[in-house]
Amino acid sequence: QQQVKQSPQSLIVQKGGISIINCAYENTAFDYFPWYQQFPGKGPALLIAIRPDVSEKKEGRFTISFNKSAKQFSLHIMDSQPGDSATYFCAASSGAGSYQLTFGKGTKLSVIP
Amino acid sequence: EAGVAQSPRYKIIEKRQSVAFWCNPISGHATLYWYQQILGQGPKLLIQFQNNGVVDDSQLPKDRFSAERLKGVDSTLKIQPAKLEDSAVYLCASISNTEAFFGQGTRLTVV
Repeated sequence: QQQVKQSPQSLIVQKGGISIINCAYENTAFDYFPWYQQFPGKGPALLIAIRPDVSEKKEGRFTISFNKSAKQFSLHIMDSQPGDSATYFCAASSGAGSYQLTFGKGTKLSVIP
Repeated sequence: EAGVAQSPRYKIIEKRQSVAFWCNPISGHATLYWYQQILGQGPKLLIQFQNNGVVDDSQLPKDRFSAERLKGVDSTLKIQPAKLEDSAVYLCASISNTEAFFGQGTRLTVV
């Protein structure tokens, strides 16, 4: 049973455009929602994370929007750059200090010049 | 700060053979996870250690997979015997108070 559903599977965006990746979860006990960026041959690296007490978190060009009632959260990448081309994973976990992460299937982002 | 070290980077074995992966977490990190990432999918949790004790191994296929973390530092993950479906990247994650740091992983191909 997939507990975190991620879409789209792949995304092509022009340089300077906005990249949007969506995730939906089922487990209402989840209380930590990170996004990871993974380049080929590398491990996932934390990009940005949110907890359900806020609806939005912004760090530079990256923003997480969180909708607790809909059990959805999304990643927005503003002014997308070719260097942002990577696979992005949403994830979720429950329990204080828990990093037993349930990952989505990933979105392969390609930013074209 | 040194990252999570994993070795080997790549391993090719025949089915029914055994294989072991090694992880050296970031110094001082008590919590360590092993994840399995099959091509085209997100990582899937296999086992969690706190110091040298197992916290959760409910998703570890114990008939063929085993893991240990001696002295609460380095950890090894073993598969015996390997099956074709074990082909994946095996990731080790080292946990600070606020973040999970992943190693580069070991890419296993079972032929």
